[in-house]
Amino acid sequence: AQKITQTQPGMFVQEKEAVTLDCTYDTSDQSYGLFWYKQPSSGEMIFLIYQGSYDEQNATEGRYSLNFQKARKSANLVISASQLGDSAMYFCAMISLGGNQFYFGTGTSLTVIP
Amino acid sequence: DGGITQSPKYLFRKEGQNVTLSCEQNLNHDAMYWYRQDPGQGLRLIYYSQIVNDFQKGDIAEGYSVSREKKESFPLTVTSAQKNPTAFYLCASSIRRGSTDTQYFGPGTRLTVL
Repeated sequence: AQKITQTQPGMFVQEKEAVTLDCTYDTSDQSYGLFWYKQPSSGEMIFLIYQGSYDEQNATEGRYSLNFQKARKSANLVISASQLGDSAMYFCAMISLGGNQFYFGTGTSLTVIP
Repeated sequence: DGGITQSPKYLFRKEGQNVTLSCEQNLNHDAMYWYRQDPGQGLRLIYYSQIVNDFQKGDIAEGYSVSREKKESFPLTVTSAQKNPTAFYLCASSIRRGSTDTQYFGPGTRLTVL
């Protein structure tokens, strides 16, 4: 079975600074996808970034990048130049190739300080 | 605009009543999902459906029922058998991206049992 672990329940970052949110995963599958979602106080889950297990380069989407270290089974999210609007819950998730269930971590609450 | 809609945003019900949460998508996605989220916690899978007229139980299906008569619609019924139904409910649909599916979420429905 797959398992996602997010060990940081809460994080603070100064506006305009970069921040890294940790995510480790456990799977015996060789092919899988890793995701990060943002959940603001409104509740909607917003897709941020995707990394395939066979992708050789780390994924980037604007200010978001995914630091993928396959051997360590980690998929940390890096947010550069933090903005006040980045304050939210962030969830890491994964799905195996051919699988039909997504597995989510417990989330990290990020607060951006002016 | 394409997207996933959930209605209503807030729902109140009395104990012992069944209630149905709506989820509609116009993204032409095959798979749809229902999750439950309790305060300060991650997402737990209730039911999912890969194709029309077919669905499978997730981790916490007891006290819930679904139907998938149309590709666009995946309503969730919270029955009186659900012991603690007060929660935030998220609907999602997914599409193949790379080698795995990527999920996209609706805005959620907050259910309160009085």
